[in-house]
Amino acid sequence: DGGITQSPKYLFRKEGQNVTLSCEQNLNHDAMYWYRQDPGQGLRLIYYSQIVNDFQKGDIAEGYSVSREKKESFPLTVTSAQKNPTAFYLCASSPGTSGRSSYNEQFFGPGTRLTVL
Amino acid sequence: DAKTTQPTSMDCAEGRAANLPCNHSTISGNEYVYWYRQIHSQGPQYIIHGLKNNETNEMASLIITEDRKSSTLILPHATLRDTAVYYCIVRNAGGTSYGKLTFGQGTILTVHP
Repeated sequence: DGGITQSPKYLFRKEGQNVTLSCEQNLNHDAMYWYRQDPGQGLRLIYYSQIVNDFQKGDIAEGYSVSREKKESFPLTVTSAQKNPTAFYLCASSPGTSGRSSYNEQFFGPGTRLTVL
Repeated sequence: DAKTTQPTSMDCAEGRAANLPCNHSTISGNEYVYWYRQIHSQGPQYIIHGLKNNETNEMASLIITEDRKSSTLILPHATLRDTAVYYCIVRNAGGTSYGKLTFGQGTILTVHP
């Protein structure tokens, strides 16, 4: 089946440790995104990537890092510099045709709930 | 991007139509209206989008006013599984940050038996 997978679904880490969240898509989409969601809030964009080997900071990039070495993979590292890392993290992808409205049809993964103890 | 305003919450009886409004009075000519929904603890799901014409797909209908300052998402026969947070987003199709969506707090739709 085509889609986006995120693993693990639940993740626990001790304060001060870096942690990497996985995101893989087999939709052949050029663009991928990472969002963060806090309880009762909307999604906030952390990083996004329009093509391989390129990515841009979103609205709340501080304390996070990403890489895009392969089209199908966009891992997110939550570093110890992130002050409030406990949140629900969502990965998404969208088709890569610039200027078309379908570019904003983002397909989301099931999310990873990160808890820092 | 234009800002959107949605009611915080709405109720709907199962089997009836759910009409979710969205105001986007500052929308510009090249901006589309997108609707997503998020069921509890899951990733958001794309529903529909439109520019100025009404749109319909297997999930819903989107009615955009002639002046494009507001729109309504219609779920024609709501079921309990339609209970979710519904997000209305206005975004242009291109530009240097295309694909970057801004999710507000949305409308919590509760479908009851």
